[in-house]
Amino acid sequence: DIVLTQSPLSLPVTPGEPASMSCRSSESLLHRNGYTYVDWYLQKPGQSPQLLIYLGSNRAPGVPDRFSGSGSGTDFTLTISRVEAEDVGVYYCMQALQVPRGFGPGTRLEIK
Amino acid sequence: QVQLQESGPGLVKPSGTLSLTCAVSGGSISSSNWWTWVRQPPGKGLEWIGQIYHSDLTHYNPSLKSRVTMSVDKSKNQFSLNLTSVTAADTAVYYCARWVGPSSFFDFWGPGILVTVSS
Repeated sequence: DIVLTQSPLSLPVTPGEPASMSCRSSESLLHRNGYTYVDWYLQKPGQSPQLLIYLGSNRAPGVPDRFSGSGSGTDFTLTISRVEAEDVGVYYCMQALQVPRGFGPGTRLEIK
Repeated sequence: QVQLQESGPGLVKPSGTLSLTCAVSGGSISSSNWWTWVRQPPGKGLEWIGQIYHSDLTHYNPSLKSRVTMSVDKSKNQFSLNLTSVTAADTAVYYCARWVGPSSFFDFWGPGILVTVSS
């Protein structure tokens, strides 16, 4: 099974400042079709996860453009250009290449 | 707008069977999507349990495969999860979600249901 690791596990950020978090996969998530099968989800306190980024770098409908995804192969990054208070929660990367799907352990973003 | 809603007992005895249903509204369970169960132990991360297609094709997490069964009821537009021989380690919030295959993501999630395994 593909294993995902994330860092840091905790990320305190001042509002208005940028933030970035990393996701690393035990295997390449690049499909032969050229797409990279990694998604990013945000789970706000007390809520279900919500999709932010799919196929590595595509923002889901309604997601603010301050969120961006990048990376290739086994190393991926989620960047928030200017953190807002509403961005608090746990950010999970997930491999969408094969079953069983797997999530990273999450990065908890908190406001300083 | 598709909506998903989990239902079932909130308390299950050890060695018993956990049975949950996810009702789908605003869309057909016979659409070209996979219907998925994900769980989250209290204070912990997300674990993919498995998925089912309307044709009853299934994929299960190998770590749970011997205890998991999923099914679809097209007449009620819902799908179900059965997990047998439960222990305290199966205590979790259980989510149902819709997987969009071609673009490969979960687009809709239920609110989740907490199931506690305890005598």
